[in-house]
Amino acid sequence: DTAVSQTPKYLVTQMGNDKSIKCEQNLGHDTMYWYKQDSKKFLKIMFSYNNKELIINETVPNRFSPKSPDKAHLNLHINSLELGDSAVYFCASSQDIDQPQHFGDGTRLSIL
Amino acid sequence: QKEVEQNSGPLSVPEGAIASLNCTYSDRGSQSFFWYRQYSGKSPELIMSIYSNGDKEDGRFTAQLNKASQYVSLLIRDSQPSDSATYLCAARKSGYNKLIFGAGTRLAVHP
Repeated sequence: DTAVSQTPKYLVTQMGNDKSIKCEQNLGHDTMYWYKQDSKKFLKIMFSYNNKELIINETVPNRFSPKSPDKAHLNLHINSLELGDSAVYFCASSQDIDQPQHFGDGTRLSIL
Repeated sequence: QKEVEQNSGPLSVPEGAIASLNCTYSDRGSQSFFWYRQYSGKSPELIMSIYSNGDKEDGRFTAQLNKASQYVSLLIRDSQPSDSATYLCAARKSGYNKLIFGAGTRLAVHP
């Protein structure tokens, strides 16, 4: 059984479009995260939710809006996509911030 | 100064040798540290977590933490070509609910 699953795996779209990425975890973890990994492979936190509450909101354009309908799900909606949004987006979860994080397989977003 | 620094590599070692990966961090209050392995095109997977000074061993992997010197290292004994990957070091930023990742060290184990 997949522990952290995110969909879609690949997303190819044009500038200006709006898209969503979904994430679900079946580990019973309380905390979920969104990371962005750019072309230089640098992994950077974007958002973190604990029990559906937003606890980390890094300096991310407000075109990015996370939503957590319950503690097992954390979705990411992106408005007005730009070329610079091209990256791999990883969802992760952990029991709390001091426990290891488990990552999903990533969503490779390519903006044409 | 980057918050978590790693040599980008590549670190090239022969099969069967010990690979030594190093990481330094700037936040003296950091208490939780993690090593992840990431194969090309894949997601990071946890190798080891370490919270106390000293060594922690798990199979062929040993993590070492020295909080006074603010460094964390990962030793891989009997390196195999399948260990070839990028190794990411991460530290919890004190007072914040987030991990800071280093840029990763690329390890190449050649037969």
